[in-house]
Amino acid sequence: AQKITQTQPGMFVQEKEAVTLDCTYDTSDPSYGLFWYKQPSSGEMIFLIYQGSYDQQNATEGRYSLNFQKARKSANLVISASQLGDSAMYFCAGGSSNTGKLIFGQGTTLQVKP
Amino acid sequence: AAGVIQSPRHLIKEKRETATLKCYPIPRHDTVYWYQQGPGQDPQFLISFYEKMQSDKGSIPDRFSAQQFSDYHSELNMSSLELGDSALYFCASSPRTPNTEAFFGQGTRLTVV
Repeated sequence: AQKITQTQPGMFVQEKEAVTLDCTYDTSDPSYGLFWYKQPSSGEMIFLIYQGSYDQQNATEGRYSLNFQKARKSANLVISASQLGDSAMYFCAGGSSNTGKLIFGQGTTLQVKP
Repeated sequence: AAGVIQSPRHLIKEKRETATLKCYPIPRHDTVYWYQQGPGQDPQFLISFYEKMQSDKGSIPDRFSAQQFSDYHSELNMSSLELGDSALYFCASSPRTPNTEAFFGQGTRLTVV
């Protein structure tokens, strides 16, 4: 079974600063993927970034990077140069290598202050 | 680029009624997933299909059923609706390659009154 934990219910960050959203995982699956999704108040689920368990380097996508520490079982999302439009709920999710279903964490609400 | 299409976007039903939610995956994506997100909750996996066969099952009530059709679109059928079924229902699609990102539709917001 897989478990995803996000311990920060809410975070604040000043516009243009960087912010790190925490995610830890626990899985018995030898091959897994870790995902981050953004959910604005409108409700849609937007894919941000993916890290495979065998990837040697941390994933990056524009202002998003994933700080993957396998020994600590953590996959933290780093957002650089925060923008007001980054205010949203952020979900970390773990993917099953067999069926691809996602197990989500509890989510972190990020508010960017002007 | 084409995205996952869900219909309807909003649905209001009374208790004990039935509802059908539709999902049209991204072209060439052969795997479809359904998730339920209650108010203030994280999305919960319901069921998935690969090549029109059920591939995995999560916490889906017996009152719900789903299928994937020959054109790969999928439908989630919900009967004897309860107030607690009010939620945002997402469909997501992906190619079969393991651990490939799933792309979500905009969701169907179901309200049971």
